[in-house]
Amino acid sequence: QSALTQPRSVSGSPGRSVTISCTETSSDVGGYNYVSWYQQYPGKAPKLIIYDVNKRPSGVPDRFSGSKSGNAASLTISGLQAEDEADYYCCSYGGSYTFGVYVVFGGGTKLTVL
Amino acid sequence: QVQLQESGPGLVKPSQTLSLTCIVSGDSISSNNYYWSWIRQSAGKGLEWIGRIYTSESSNYNPSLQSRVTISLDTSKNQVSLKLTSVTAADTAVYYCAAEGRLSDAFDIWGQGTMVTVSS
Repeated sequence: QSALTQPRSVSGSPGRSVTISCTETSSDVGGYNYVSWYQQYPGKAPKLIIYDVNKRPSGVPDRFSGSKSGNAASLTISGLQAEDEADYYCCSYGGSYTFGVYVVFGGGTKLTVL
Repeated sequence: QVQLQESGPGLVKPSQTLSLTCIVSGDSISSNNYYWSWIRQSAGKGLEWIGRIYTSESSNYNPSLQSRVTISLDTSKNQVSLKLTSVTAADTAVYYCAAEGRLSDAFDIWGQGTMVTVSS
């Protein structure tokens, strides 16, 4: 079971905004401001769209924004477009004395543009 | 521009060892710019991080897979390898090689992925 919880699905109309949450559910995860978000189309490799909570790689539209408050991170997509329909995954780090640092992905959220 | 290409057998028998290679182009795996990771995705499921390597002496693994996984570097061929032992049908997945930027702390670059089926 993932230590990062995302809603299984969200939807929104073109031009509107949607927010996808990513909540840390394990005490081993969190305390790191290294949350990243990935967009994945069916049959394709994921693509980085947000890193370090709220930074966008070159070429990613500013319609995509990220934030974090406490143990919850969020991805907001404003001005929804049909091409935004995809799966979205959050990612962060966990750590323990036993296992050291490890990477954790959220379970993924399917965005449907109505 | 860094590019990653996974290769390896598409079919592995249960109880055997899954071996994959990631060919890195556009940067040296010894450049210290990236952690080199393996990530997999079962059909219709989410992403699962397998592990990463930075130097031959520095690697981290998913706690749930740690006992079966080895990731290594071949600097002469500029390749990253994955070995997963004692595979079962649950290891059937698309396996991705990904470069985790040391400045971004995120998976900047992904390979296209390679499908591996575990079946007799």
